[in-house]
Amino acid sequence: GQNIDQPTEMTATEGAIVQINCTYQTSGFNGLFWYQQHAGEAPTFLSYNVLDGLEEKGRFSSFLSRSKGYSYLLLKELQMKDSASYLCAPTDSWGKLQFGAGTQVVVTP
Amino acid sequence: DTAVSQTPKYLVTQMGNDKSIKCEQNLGHDTMYWYKQDSKKFLKIMFSYNNKELIINETVPNRFSPKSPDKAHLNLHINSLELGDSAVYFCASSPSGQGESFGSGTRLTVV
Repeated sequence: GQNIDQPTEMTATEGAIVQINCTYQTSGFNGLFWYQQHAGEAPTFLSYNVLDGLEEKGRFSSFLSRSKGYSYLLLKELQMKDSASYLCAPTDSWGKLQFGAGTQVVVTP
Repeated sequence: DTAVSQTPKYLVTQMGNDKSIKCEQNLGHDTMYWYKQDSKKFLKIMFSYNNKELIINETVPNRFSPKSPDKAHLNLHINSLELGDSAVYFCASSPSGQGESFGSGTRLTVV
C-alpha cells in the first residue's frame, strides 16, 4: 500500500486510549475498512466507513474525512488482547481493498 | 462451522514443484479473493472472482492460476514454485461491495 500511510508501531498501557491515524490516496474512493490482525492469524473486520464522521462500536470507533483522505481508529479501555496489527484499507470504485502495512499496537501492563 | 476454510494450513515444498491451495466458503457470498501477505506483512490482492467470473487479476506471474468451479470455491494452483513465492496466502469472501471475511491462511515455504 504505497499510497496508504499509518504509523508502524504504537505502545500504550492497559486501560488507556490509542488513536491510529491513516492517510490515503485512492482513485475512485468507495469507503474505508479497518481490520485487526493478531500475529499468525487472519485479519478480522473491525469497521467500515463510507460517509464522513465517526462510527462507534463498543470500545472501538472509526472516523473518516473523505475530503482530507484521512481516517483514524480509536481504541478505548485498552486490554492486553488488543495487542495486534491494525490495518487501514481504503477501497476503490471496484470495491478492491488496498491494505496499508499496518500499525502494530503493543499494550503493556 | 468455519465460514471461510482453506487447506492446507502449512505447505513446505521444493523449488520447481507445483502445488494447490483450496478454499471454500459457506457464507453464500458472491465474491471470493486470494491475497498474499509477504514477510513485511503487506497484504496484497492477487485475484478476485464474482460468481465464478474473474474480475480482478493483479500483476501476478502466470504461474499462479486461480480456478473457481462454483461460487463457494476458489482454488489457487501454483506452477514451478520459486523461493520468492514463500508467504502466507489468504483466501477471503465478501458480499458484493462489502468487507471481506478471511480464511485462516496457508503458510507456504519454498525451499
